[in-house]
This record gives sequence, C-alpha cells and structure tokens, in this order.
Amino acid sequence: SQKIEQNSEALNIQEGKTATLTCNYTNYSPAYLQWYRQDPGRGPVFLLLIRENEKEKRKERLKVTFDTTLKQSLFHITASQPADSATYLCAPPPSSASKIIFGSGTRLSIRP
Amino acid sequence: GAVVSQHPSRVICKSGTSVKIECRSLDFQATTMFWYRQFPKQSLMLMATSNEGSKATYEQGVEKDKFLINHASLTLSTLTVTSAHPEDSSFYICSARTPGQVSEKLFFGSGTQLSVL
Repeated sequence: SQKIEQNSEALNIQEGKTATLTCNYTNYSPAYLQWYRQDPGRGPVFLLLIRENEKEKRKERLKVTFDTTLKQSLFHITASQPADSATYLCAPPPSSASKIIFGSGTRLSIRP
Repeated sequence: GAVVSQHPSRVICKSGTSVKIECRSLDFQATTMFWYRQFPKQSLMLMATSNEGSKATYEQGVEKDKFLINHASLTLSTLTVTSAHPEDSSFYICSARTPGQVSEKLFFGSGTQLSVL
C-alpha cells in the first residue's frame, strides 16, 4: 500500500546548525509533496510545496528537495533558531476524494 | 493567506454531554472542509470530509452518529461530539482549501482541545 514515512523520533539540533528532516514514500510516485509546521496546541501551517520535476525549492532559511530516485524529500532549516522548534509534517497529494493524509511528523527541538 | 477560524479553542465538559465545534472560513468560501483529530505526540488523523449542502464523508472507523458534521453554508462547518466520553478527549482541527485549488495547500483552524471529565 502507499505509504508516507517520517522519522518519528525527535530531532535535537544546536542553534545555528542546519536541521534536516526526512520524508520517505513507498509504493507510489506523488506528483508533489507539501511540508507543514505545527506548534503545540495549534493547527498546522503550510510552508512549502515541491513538485516531482523540481529538484529543490527555497524559502528564506528553508530548503526542500525531492529525489524521485530515492523516493525521498528532505526538508532543511539553515541557521536554525530556537523559534524553529516545532513538529514538521510531510503530506502527499490528496487521494481520489481530495483529502490530504499527513505523515507522522518529526518533532524538532533547537537548543540555544 | 486565507483565514480559517475555529471556536472554541478549549472546552471541558462532563461525560454524556454534547459539544459543538465551529469552523469558519473568514475570507473565502469553502465547499469542502476537513476535520482532523490529534492525540498527544501523534499526527493528524482525518476523521471526515465535510461537503457543503450534502452529507459528510467519514473515514473508516469514525462513527458518524457520534461525530455529527453539518456544513450548511459555504463558510461554516460544525462538528458535534455527541454523548462525549473521556476517550473522546483530543485535539480537533478543521481545515479548508480556497476555491479553485483542487489539490494544493490547506489552511487550518487553530484547533479545539476537548477534555471530557
């Protein structure tokens, strides 16, 4: 069956370093992937969308890559800051019913 | 970007009572809204798709008589948790897309933390 997997373990990074989060997919080829940020007790917020024909997309300190050979998307935060601490969710395109199913998310903690 | 307002943000109720959660699209019309449920440290679980003017589509395992969804207008969807029990305690979040976007980003409400005593 089609599957989206994120590293469910928390990621702890020293402030100023680059944080890299992984989203792997199996048994299908999504036309794009979306990344969202969720803070505790809040709804997710859209960050970036990368299409299968785009190798890389950037937005300020954020960078997303899409490797269709490895079936993987990487989400990078450069010059990380404690304010970047949150859970980051990967989401594939919606199913036939136009609903988006999210990955399990990776909890990122940036320590000062 | 588009704004989705969800109310209340937090509710505490006694077991056996019903709780209504509202989700409004403030600056756009949403023919479809989605309701998610989230337990602590877990990801979002889609409960149902709310369709304006028609019945909601529920995901497998979600009791439609337990979680009543009404989408009576293009800007409002409501989720009513009927006869709530402690196991219904969770974080409920709604979302919507702006018109014309079939497959792209979602805008989320701020969520409702439900605690059933």
